[in-house]
Amino acid sequence: GENVEQHPSTLSVQEGDSAVIKCTYSDSASNYFPWYKQELGKRPQLIIDIRSNVGEKKDQRIAVTLNKTAKHFSLHITETQPEDSAVYFCAASRPPGNTGKLIFGQGTTLQVKP
Amino acid sequence: GAVVSQHPSWVICKSGTSVKIECRSLDFQATTMFWYRQFPKQSLMLMATSNEGSKATYEQGVEKDKFLINHASLTLSTLTVTSAHPEDSSFYICSAGRGNTGELFFGEGSRLTVL
Repeated sequence: GENVEQHPSTLSVQEGDSAVIKCTYSDSASNYFPWYKQELGKRPQLIIDIRSNVGEKKDQRIAVTLNKTAKHFSLHITETQPEDSAVYFCAASRPPGNTGKLIFGQGTTLQVKP
Repeated sequence: GAVVSQHPSWVICKSGTSVKIECRSLDFQATTMFWYRQFPKQSLMLMATSNEGSKATYEQGVEKDKFLINHASLTLSTLTVTSAHPEDSSFYICSAGRGNTGELFFGEGSRLTVL
């Protein structure tokens, strides 16, 4: 089955700096790669996602890149702010359609220092 | 976005008792729902896929007789933790996908504490 590895497990940056979190996946058939932000005790919130037919996607300060050949994808957060502090999870799923069986990475605790 | 609601948000029970958690899709029909478990400071681990009108599909290592899943309608899936023990204490989160986007919508989560 699918296995998703995420690094680093913790990341501390100064406010305004960029943060990068990387994930690798094992199943070459996976085609959907979302990123979730989870605050303590709350549900995961989707922040950005990318599909296998796209190499890069950007939404304001957040971007995700995908390298299908190497089977890895990364989350980039620019101009970090203290409110970006949370746990971030990458995930991967394979077709078909809306079955959406997501396998999650181990998570990265991001701390943005004011 | 789509709304998935989970109940109860937290529950405390005695060891040996059973606890039922409900997951509802409020504004869409979900033929498939997913149950995850999350221990403190850990990731979300997929427990099972709940299929409307048929048996759930359990991930390897998850005891189907201990974690009973029922998906009797297109908007409701239930997870029953039977004969709960302290090691079952965890954050249980359900999710459902709408349409064919692959995007999952998560419930609020249910924190189970077994004394």
